[in-house]
Amino acid sequence: DTAVSQTPKYLVTQMGNDKSIKCEQNLGHDTMYWYKQDSKKFLKIMFSYNNKELIINETVPNRFSPKSPDKAHLNLHINSLELGDSAVYFCASSPSGQSNYGYTFGSGTRLTVV
Amino acid sequence: LAKTTQPISMDSYEGQEVNITCSHNNIATNDYITWYQQFPSQGPRFIIQGYKTKVTNEVASLFIPADRKSSTLSLPRVSLSDTAVYYCLVGGQGGGADGLTFGKGTHLIIQP
Repeated sequence: DTAVSQTPKYLVTQMGNDKSIKCEQNLGHDTMYWYKQDSKKFLKIMFSYNNKELIINETVPNRFSPKSPDKAHLNLHINSLELGDSAVYFCASSPSGQSNYGYTFGSGTRLTVV
Repeated sequence: LAKTTQPISMDSYEGQEVNITCSHNNIATNDYITWYQQFPSQGPRFIIQGYKTKVTNEVASLFIPADRKSSTLSLPRVSLSDTAVYYCLVGGQGGGADGLTFGKGTHLIIQP
């Protein structure tokens, strides 16, 4: 079984559209994250949720809205997509109390905005 | 969080030992050093973590000098499949919700 699964794996859409990326983890972790990796391969955290509560919200446009229906799921909804949103988005999870290790990442969602 | 500096890229050959060094001059007392590996089209994967001296697991070894201002990831007898980006991270036990701060990583290329 995949520990952290994201869907879809690839997403191609037009500017101005609204899209969602889903993430689920079956590891029993309390904390989940969304990361963005741009074309230069720089990996940056976007959001962090702990037990369905938003903990970190880095400087991300409010067009991006995370939703956590339960601690096993963290979805990312993006409104009014722009060309600059094209990137690979990674979901990750970790147990509580461990900020440096024990992170498990999903395989990523490659978003292309045309 | 302590900032890290590592080489942008390295080349080596199959069967060789590869050492990747990371500098973290501002490491705090309670910071741990962690290395992640990322293959193309995949998320980063935890390799090894240490606080001081030496740590070894089935994949790699991590050497940390007494001043902890640097660390060296050692990959024994690399193969083509070790071609990946390797990230050095430094951080403390911040409660799990801080998130990891990734630098630019080291792109390791293994040739036949």
